[in-house]
Amino acid sequence: GENVEQHPSTLSVQEGDSAVIKCTYSDSASNYFPWYKQELGKRPQLIIDIRSNVGEKKDQRIAVTLNKTAKHFSLHITETQPEDSAVYFCAAMYSGGGADGLTFGKGTHLIIQP
Amino acid sequence: KAGVTQTPRYLIKTRGQQVTLSCSPISGHRSVSWYQQTPGQGLQFLFEYFSETQRNKGNFPGRFSGRQFSNSRSEMNVSTLELGDSALYLCASSGESWQETQYFGPGTRLLVL
Repeated sequence: GENVEQHPSTLSVQEGDSAVIKCTYSDSASNYFPWYKQELGKRPQLIIDIRSNVGEKKDQRIAVTLNKTAKHFSLHITETQPEDSAVYFCAAMYSGGGADGLTFGKGTHLIIQP
Repeated sequence: KAGVTQTPRYLIKTRGQQVTLSCSPISGHRSVSWYQQTPGQGLQFLFEYFSETQRNKGNFPGRFSGRQFSNSRSEMNVSTLELGDSALYLCASSGESWQETQYFGPGTRLLVL
């Protein structure tokens, strides 16, 4: 089955700086890669996703890049703000049927220092 | 549209008991997936239902089961509870199939004593 590795486990950045979280996946058949943000005691919320037919997607301060050859994808957050502090999860899935649902990375605890 | 809802939000059970958790998807969504979240193992896929049929299943023992009703609401059952079953159980719904974006409910926090 799919295996997703996520790094780093903890990331501390100064407010206003950029944050980058990286994930690698093992199954070349995976073609859907969402990112979720989970604040303490709350549900995971989708912040951005990308499908394998594109290499990059951007939504305001958030962007995701995908390198299918290397089987890795990254989340980029620019101009970080205190409300960006949370745990971020990457995930991978094959959306062609018969898969194992979303396979998640272990999460990155992002801390925004004032 | 209302979001995904789960009941109950909190549960305390003892070893050996069984428990049933409920999930109501976003209106119009037909796919419901269940996940277990623990500090040690993270988020792990349990199973997915679509049109009252289990289509996919993760690597969990048979004590974990589920079902889906004709209105797309889903239940998850855990029999013979073990201490290690203490976790946050999340359900997620998506549109016509799980190929679409999954939206999570608030979860049910289960504590097994």
